[in-house]
Amino acid sequence: GAVVSQHPSWVICKSGTSVKIECRSLDFQATTMFWYRQFPKQSLMLMATSNEGSKATYEQGVEKDKFLINHASLTLSTLTVTSAHPEDSSFYICSAAGANQETQYFGPGTRLLVL
Amino acid sequence: GENVEQHPSTLSVQEGDSAVIKCTYSDSASNYFPWYKQELGKRPQLIIDIRSNVGEKKDQRIAVTLNKTAKHFSLHITETQPEDSAVYFCAASRATDSWGKFQFGAGTQVVVTP
Repeated sequence: GAVVSQHPSWVICKSGTSVKIECRSLDFQATTMFWYRQFPKQSLMLMATSNEGSKATYEQGVEKDKFLINHASLTLSTLTVTSAHPEDSSFYICSAAGANQETQYFGPGTRLLVL
Repeated sequence: GENVEQHPSTLSVQEGDSAVIKCTYSDSASNYFPWYKQELGKRPQLIIDIRSNVGEKKDQRIAVTLNKTAKHFSLHITETQPEDSAVYFCAASRATDSWGKFQFGAGTQVVVTP
């Protein structure tokens, strides 16, 4: 149980384009999902907390107009990187909170490369 | 806000030896402390967790201890094997508060040499 999928697993795009990443909880309902960014050899940095049916809460320094988050259902959250630039290249990982709202289960991540 | 410090940043051990990773946290209201293992290019996997009402928890070769007074917790891996090589992250959160946001430590690269 507690399987989280993420799609796509990797994407290469041109500077200025937008990229959408999907995060799904496959076998449980996730009221809360989280989006992280991880640069090489660094820790996971929380970008935003996504609650089903409400606006996401962004961490300090994360531009909400650049990283659009939608949590339309209890099993799906999406992150759209708008007008991507090379500095947005990173490993984006989502997680979903389990029923006890304590443990987070992570998706496999999406590697984004902006040329 | 919460701040989690993790040490060491790298740890090399001989196969069969023990490995210990230590984390300290700043928020006395934190009450949930998970440990994740992340292999290169893969997702973090939960390996063990502990809640603030417990001082120690063990699962086969892995154990976690928590000292609430000193605000630190540690991961212990005994009889290490090459497949234990990975980056390990500790985290702290106020479970059921602030949507259970995690504050992660910086990570420890563990290398187990045969």
